[in-house]
Amino acid sequence: GAVVSQHPSRVICKSGTSVKIECRSLDFQATTMFWYRQFPKQSLMLMATSNEGSKATYEQGVEKDKFLINHASLTLSTLTVTSAHPEDSSFYICSVWREGPYEQYFGPGTRLTVT
Amino acid sequence: SQQGEEDPQALSIQEGENATMNCSYKTSINNLQWYRQNSGRGLVHLILIRSNEREKHSGRLRVTLDTSKKSSSLLITASRAADTASYFCATDKGYSTLTFGKGTMLLVSP
Repeated sequence: GAVVSQHPSRVICKSGTSVKIECRSLDFQATTMFWYRQFPKQSLMLMATSNEGSKATYEQGVEKDKFLINHASLTLSTLTVTSAHPEDSSFYICSVWREGPYEQYFGPGTRLTVT
Repeated sequence: SQQGEEDPQALSIQEGENATMNCSYKTSINNLQWYRQNSGRGLVHLILIRSNEREKHSGRLRVTLDTSKKSSSLLITASRAADTASYFCATDKGYSTLTFGKGTMLLVSP
């Protein structure tokens, strides 16, 4: 069964609005989650590392005020795209890091379209 | 910049044939992983090979790693139409953050 879920799977929003994407770890508690962005026919680019109970660590070039990450519990991280623009349209994928087997489990992704 | 670079970018084969994809990377790694992604879907972890390993098998998958050349290959034997997907290599430098390559789009025709 699925280890990681994302909600919503698809979202369309108008330019200037904000949209929240949820990532849930279903099978275990996760201290660390990751957020990736994938443009059509391109690879995944790591946006940020989400740490439970502390501030997220953003990759170079990712605006932390635009992409707000909240890892409020050990099973939930949220990514909020604020003041969305059409260029933010992309496929956003989260992953959950599991210590022990030291593996990442990826969510099914969220397709964001900004009109 | 991309750590991993796969080639070919696209590969089209017939069912039953073998598919080989290559990945090169630039810096030292802790391990290298291969993932599969069906169109518009999330990633599925296929196989992980550690930096001290040279070859690993899983079902119809065979992965090799050459750390001296900073390269890896993924071989899918006896391919099936259901293997049609994009395949990505990802390198882990030991801090759990993955850097993905650009991917190879594999099309297996019946």
